[in-house]
Amino acid sequence: DAGITQSPRHKVTETGTPVTLRCHQTENHRYMYWYRQDPGHGLRLIHYSYGVKDTDKGEVSDGYSVSRSKTEDFLLTLESATSSQTSVYFCAISRTGTGYGEKLFFGSGTQLSVL
Amino acid sequence: DQQVKQNSPSLSVQEGRISILNCDYTNSMFDYFLWYKKYPAEGPTFLISISSIKDKNEDGRFTVFLNKSAKHLSLHIVPSQPGDSAVYFCAASRMDSSYKLIFGSGTRLLVRP
Repeated sequence: DAGITQSPRHKVTETGTPVTLRCHQTENHRYMYWYRQDPGHGLRLIHYSYGVKDTDKGEVSDGYSVSRSKTEDFLLTLESATSSQTSVYFCAISRTGTGYGEKLFFGSGTQLSVL
Repeated sequence: DQQVKQNSPSLSVQEGRISILNCDYTNSMFDYFLWYKKYPAEGPTFLISISSIKDKNEDGRFTVFLNKSAKHLSLHIVPSQPGDSAVYFCAASRMDSSYKLIFGSGTRLLVRP
C-alpha cells in the first residue's frame, strides 16, 4: 500500500457548513490530487498540487478550495457544503506527475454526505 | 462532454471464461492509457497500462489492446476469477497535459463461480 491516509473516512454534515478533508502521505511524492467519484461519472479531478503551495484546478473545482503547506498534507475544503457535493472523495499521489508513463496511487476515500 | 467513455456499466461472466471490458476515447491527443480496479470501500488500484506506440500489453491474465484508429481500447481477463469482481476504470492522459488523468465512468464486473 502506498502510504496515503485520508481523514475522516466518513462524514455527515449539513448544507451550508464548511468541511475540510485531509490527505496525508508518507511517500514524499511531489504530486497530489483530489478526485470525486459519482455514479455515471467515474472519477473526476477537483484540484491538484505539483508542490508545496503550488495548486491548480481540475475539471470540477467550483465550490472547492485546496491548500498544501507541507509536502505530506493536501487539504480539500468545501467552504459551504451543498447536497451536490455528496460524494466519495479520493486523494491520490504520484511521483512525477501523470503526463506520461506515470500512475496514481489512491487513498481509501472519504464518504461525504451533505444533508 | 466525456472524453473517455465506458458504455457498459456492468458485465457478468462465468468463472474461467474471458472478460472483455471496453473503453472509447474522443481525444486523439491522448497517448497513454491505464486501467484501474476498484473494490468496494477501497481506493482504485493500478492494473495495467499501454502507451500509444504499442497496440498490446500483457501482464499475466490481463491484456490491454489499443486500436488508435478506432480510438478504442479493451481489457481482456483470461481466465476470469471470482476475485476479479470489481469496478474497472479506464483512464487516459496526454504528454502535454501533465498531472491530469481523465477517467471513464467505470464497468462493474461480476465473475460468477
